[in-house]
Amino acid sequence: GAGVSQSPSNKVTEKGKDVELRCDPISGHTALYWYRQSLGQGLEFLIYFQGNSAPDKSGLPSDRFSAERTGGSVSTLTIQRTQQEDSAVYLCASSLVGASNYGYTFGSGTRLTVV
Amino acid sequence: AQRVTQPEKLLSVFKGAPVELKCNYSYSGSPELFWYVQYSRQRLQLLLRHISRESIKGFTADLNKGETSFHLKKPFAQEEDSAMYYCALKTNAGKSTFGDGTTLTVKP
Repeated sequence: GAGVSQSPSNKVTEKGKDVELRCDPISGHTALYWYRQSLGQGLEFLIYFQGNSAPDKSGLPSDRFSAERTGGSVSTLTIQRTQQEDSAVYLCASSLVGASNYGYTFGSGTRLTVV
Repeated sequence: AQRVTQPEKLLSVFKGAPVELKCNYSYSGSPELFWYVQYSRQRLQLLLRHISRESIKGFTADLNKGETSFHLKKPFAQEEDSAMYYCALKTNAGKSTFGDGTTLTVKP
């Protein structure tokens, strides 16, 4: 597709349930990023995939969070046993190459609400 | 560790007035600096990058390594500039650190 696609756009889940968020980056972009945007706060880095290299998971807030990227394309962010503090907008972005002066192209995000 | 500071959470100016959104950073390496913008009900998008030294929608930003700043400026603000603006620093490892953002309101 022409842009970064994220699904679902909205997700309401009960506390304790698992959720999966999907990101389809721009074709040919080797770098893929997940960020979290909470109300009134900036973007919090979660995880970064670059080609076939091991992902940078340094931003994942707990072991309830995990992500994978299959075939260098689609990525899935999984949150297990969701908590209310996980409520946020989860943004995916891709870039032509990670370590470069290319900027990011963002998806429209998944708004996660844990009730 | 890298850090990006946007000291103003909210900034309000009148149409036609100059506007400057401040951004300061700390990073021991050679930084790549960016400004991103998010208009109401739209996705976050790249506005400009320091490497290209370009003017986009009348906005410019100059990297000042001595002051570790990358302020965004526009000489005459327009109502359509009202949005949330994020400054970001990309390290040579490839990931970016974002500031907390500044909400700009341009009043008629």
